[in-house]
Amino acid sequence: ELKVEQNPLFLSMQEGKNYTIYCNYSTTSDRLYWYRQDPGKSLESLFVLLSNGAVKQEGRLMASLDTKARLSTLHITAAVHDLSATYFCAVDHMNRDDKIIFGKGTRLHILP
Amino acid sequence: GAGVSQSPRYKVTKRGQDVALRCDPISGHVSLYWYRQALGQGPEFLTYFNYEAQQDKSGLPNDRFSAERPEGSISTLTIQRTEQRDSAMYRCASSLAAGLVYEQYFGPGTRLTVT
Repeated sequence: ELKVEQNPLFLSMQEGKNYTIYCNYSTTSDRLYWYRQDPGKSLESLFVLLSNGAVKQEGRLMASLDTKARLSTLHITAAVHDLSATYFCAVDHMNRDDKIIFGKGTRLHILP
Repeated sequence: GAGVSQSPRYKVTKRGQDVALRCDPISGHVSLYWYRQALGQGPEFLTYFNYEAQQDKSGLPNDRFSAERPEGSISTLTIQRTEQRDSAMYRCASSLAAGLVYEQYFGPGTRLTVT
């Protein structure tokens, strides 16, 4: 059964710092998604990563995928308060007709 | 254009009652997913459809839960004989097609409370 693990689950950091959120998954997949969720809101798609070595960047966020290591990272550069949210990674369970499995999420709090 | 809509946004029901939650996907989206999200957790897959065909219902917790999408557009998730443990946020998402490059667009959710 596909398992998706994120770490850390909680992260409090100062504005201006860099940090990385990790997403590990347990079975073969080359489709990984990152979402952002603000408190009380729905999920917003950030990145879709489709192949080994894929890297995508949007503003201060950069996501990468290593399918051999079954690892994706979401890197935050020079964090700003507006990036405070919960970030989820999700993996397409390709052996189960595209069932999508989400991690527990990383709650990110950026201190001004 | 309009995003994914869900109704009702909030539903309070008594234990033992049946509830029907509706999802209206983005027009033209082939795939429709249902998730349940507990507070502080990630969305938990329930089931999904391509057009009107239910592709995978392995995430439905038990036979009190069912879903349909009879015309390949609007979908209804029905919970019969609700129990308190069914209380959660139920989210619907749609995408142009399953997997590949297509991201999912999530609706605002239905907050279900079973008393």
